[in-house]
This record gives sequence, C-alpha cells and structure tokens, in this order.
Amino acid sequence: DTAVSQTPKYLVTQMGNDKSIKCEQNLGHDTMYWYKQDSKKFLKIMFSYNNKELIINETVPNRFSPKSPDKAHLNLHINSLELGDSAVYFCATEGLSYEQYFGPGTRLTVT
Amino acid sequence: DQQVKQNSPSLSVQEGRISILNCDYTNSMFDYFLWYKKYPAEGPTFLISISSIKDKNEDGRFTVFLNKSAKHLSLHIVPSQPGDSAVYFCAASKETSGSRLTFGEGTQLTVNP
Repeated sequence: DTAVSQTPKYLVTQMGNDKSIKCEQNLGHDTMYWYKQDSKKFLKIMFSYNNKELIINETVPNRFSPKSPDKAHLNLHINSLELGDSAVYFCATEGLSYEQYFGPGTRLTVT
Repeated sequence: DQQVKQNSPSLSVQEGRISILNCDYTNSMFDYFLWYKKYPAEGPTFLISISSIKDKNEDGRFTVFLNKSAKHLSLHIVPSQPGDSAVYFCAASKETSGSRLTFGEGTQLTVNP
C-alpha cells in the first residue's frame, strides 16, 4: 500500500497544453509539498500546503497552480506548458519529526 | 546560490568497507539536516536526520555526523552493501513544520561486490 502516490508516472505532451499531476497520501500528514527536479538533478521546492492552505509559494510561474481538495490530496495543474517545464515532479508529505516522504515522481516531457 | 553542496558527484567503495558521504552548507539558519537515498525512477527515501543540538545520530549501519562550526555533515555507512548503491542527497531546513528542504546535488554511491 503506497504511502505517497502520484499519477501519472510519465506524461508526454506538447507545448501550449494544460495538464495536471495528482498526488495522494494515506499517511494522515497535514503538510504536503511539490518539488521539481530539473535536468541538473537539483530538487527544488515549488509549493507547500498545510491542511489545504498554501504556506510556501516559491518563485514559480503562475502557470503552475496547486490545488488541495482535501488533506490527502495535493494536485498540480500546469497551464500553457513550455519546453522548460520538462522535469521530474515529486510530491512529498511531512512526518511528525519534520522528515519528508516522497512520491515516486512524475516525469513530464514537453515537446 | 547553492546553500547545500555535495562536492563529490560519485563515490565507489568495496562491499564491507565504510562509505563516507560529505555535505557542506552555508546558511547558518539551518538547524535540521537529513539524508535521502534515491534509486532510479523512484522518489527520494528518507534515511536519517540530525538536529543541530546534536553532533551524531546513529541508526543501524547509518551514522550522521554534524560539525556546526565547519558547517559540515557526513553520512557513514558501515558495512557498505551492494544494495546501498544509489544517489544520496543531503538536505537542510529549519526544524519547523512546513519548512522547505534545501537539497544538495547528490552523490552517486556504487558499492562493488
């Protein structure tokens, strides 16, 4: 039973399209995150939500919009996709000792 | 400005020997440090953490050492096993809820049988 799951695992799409990545956790954690791992393999935070409320919003284009319908879900919607959006996107949750648990990642390729 | 740095992109050790992975940070506000292991096509897996009030934390074969004055931490794996072969990321944050993790660029560890 996967603790943090993401769908889809792979996403190939064309420039200009709008796409969503879904994240679900069954750990009961209050805080969830989205990270981006770019071509240089750096993992960088994008957003953080606590109990469905946005608490961190890094310098991310407003084409990226996170949505948390409930405490177990944090989805990432991306409008007008660009080539530079190609990356691996990871969802994560925060445990009681502030450690973070990551999903398997979604590899987004924009052509 | 890379606040967390792992200067060795790769490390190769023999099975049974000790693996030492190093990490340096520049931001004095960091007070919580973590190590993650990542296999290809999987998300990072939490390994071990240390708070700045400690200088050592041990969990089985994994030990993390923190030298606050040098702004340096290291992960020791002993004995190393082939299954330990993965990319290891060092991360730092403030020890509060909702605090962002700042990651290093990772070190590829290869443990040879």
